[in-house]
Amino acid sequence: EAGVTQSPTHLIKTRGQQATLRCSPISGHTSVYWYQQALGLGLQFLLWYDEGEERNRGNFPPRFSGRQFPNYSSELNVNALELEDSALYLCASSPYRGGTEAFFGQGTRLTVV
Amino acid sequence: AQTVTQSQPEMSVQEAETVTLSCTYDTSENNYYLFWYKQPPSRQMILVIRQEAYKQQNATENRFSVNFQKAAKSFSLKISDSQLGDTAMYFCAFIPPPNSNSGYALNFGKGTSLLVTP
Repeated sequence: EAGVTQSPTHLIKTRGQQATLRCSPISGHTSVYWYQQALGLGLQFLLWYDEGEERNRGNFPPRFSGRQFPNYSSELNVNALELEDSALYLCASSPYRGGTEAFFGQGTRLTVV
Repeated sequence: AQTVTQSQPEMSVQEAETVTLSCTYDTSENNYYLFWYKQPPSRQMILVIRQEAYKQQNATENRFSVNFQKAAKSFSLKISDSQLGDTAMYFCAFIPPPNSNSGYALNFGKGTSLLVTP
C-alpha cells in the first residue's frame, strides 16, 4: 500500500510569487492535514481538509489556502510568498474525520529567495 | 490554549544505553491523546508511541516506553538499548479528543535532537 506522497520534493520560489504543493493521501483516507515546519519554530498546524471541505485552520494568514479534490488529494497554495515562508511543509492523512492516527508524507521543502 | 514543551533541545546517548526524553504539556482537557514522533534525516514523521489519557497503564512499543504522569502533565519517552538508527529528531505531540471541529490537528513541541553514538 502506498503511503502519503507529496510533490514536489523541493521548490524554490521568488518573494511575491505563488507556490503550489500537492499531497496524495493513503488510499481510503478522507482527511488531510497540512503542517509547516519552519526552522526554530517546530511544527505548526496549517489546515485540515475532510470530505472536500476545509474544516479547520491554524493561526496563519489567508494567503495560505488550499483545497481537497474528490479523490481526497489536496493542494496547498501560498500566495505572495515571503522569505519567512521558507520551511518544510508536511502533509498527513487520517482514515476519517476524528481518526486518531495520522500518517505523514516526506514533505516539500519550500525555499523563498 | 494547549502547549507542549520539550526542554531538551539536544541529547546524546551511547549505543546500547538507555535515554529518556522529557515532555510536559498544558491543557484543561481531561481526555486527550499524547504521541511521540520520530523524524530521521529522511524528514518523514514516524509515529513511535501513543498514549490515551484515560488509560493509566504506560504505553510500550518494543524498546520504547513512556512514563505518563497525568497529574503532573508529564509524558517522557524512554528508549532502551539505543541503536544508531534511533538518531533523529523526536517530537512530543498532543491532541484533545478528536471531534468534528478539531479533527486530528496535532500540537507539537519543538523537538529534541537525539544522537546515538557508537
